[in-house]
Amino acid sequence: QKEVEQDPGPLSVPEGAIVSLNCTYSNSAFQYFMWYRQYSRKGPELLMYTYSSGNKEDGRFTAQVDKSSKYISLFIRDSQPSDSATYLCAMSVNAGNMLTFGGGTRLMVKP
Amino acid sequence: DVKVTQSSRYLVKRTGEKVFLECVQDMDHENMFWYRQDPGLGLRLIYFSYDVKMKEKGDIPEGYSVSREKKERFSLILESASTNQTSMYLCASRKTSGYYNEQFFGPGTRLTVL
Repeated sequence: QKEVEQDPGPLSVPEGAIVSLNCTYSNSAFQYFMWYRQYSRKGPELLMYTYSSGNKEDGRFTAQVDKSSKYISLFIRDSQPSDSATYLCAMSVNAGNMLTFGGGTRLMVKP
Repeated sequence: DVKVTQSSRYLVKRTGEKVFLECVQDMDHENMFWYRQDPGLGLRLIYFSYDVKMKEKGDIPEGYSVSREKKERFSLILESASTNQTSMYLCASRKTSGYYNEQFFGPGTRLTVL
């Protein structure tokens, strides 16, 4: 069993839809949670960063962490075609530790 | 604007060849990383370097070596390329200080070994 699980998709939604992307993990020591976005033929770039449990909002994006369930989510409101990308979750025990990545979910937002 | 560059976007090599992948960052970051990315497997850490001339094995170091002679440059070496090393290779860098654990990635090198 992988330490971080993520549905590979692809997830196809119409423009304007609310998107929910999720990861589950097995290591209860993880405290730092990140979402990276990776456009085709590009490297990943950090989208959201959360420490411990709770929600964090940035524009159309909301990151949610439920440590009791070992489950993290990324919500995208009013999705746009420009949101079409692969979304990778990543997590670590401490800020200076190595990151453990999920396999990525490919999202396609159709106009 | 932060920048991590990789020497090649696409590379085709033959089995048994020695392959060099170069990565340069201009952010004066201490830490640098090499990952490979395969469908469904996400990013897997090959090697990382805390600072110049320092290196540590990641999760999948077999068949690879690295070199870090200067702070800004981190090289990945495939001593004798094999077909199972066909993959996307991503380099990243990170500053050691600060609250964030953010790694900045290069655009990747897609390596095909025939």
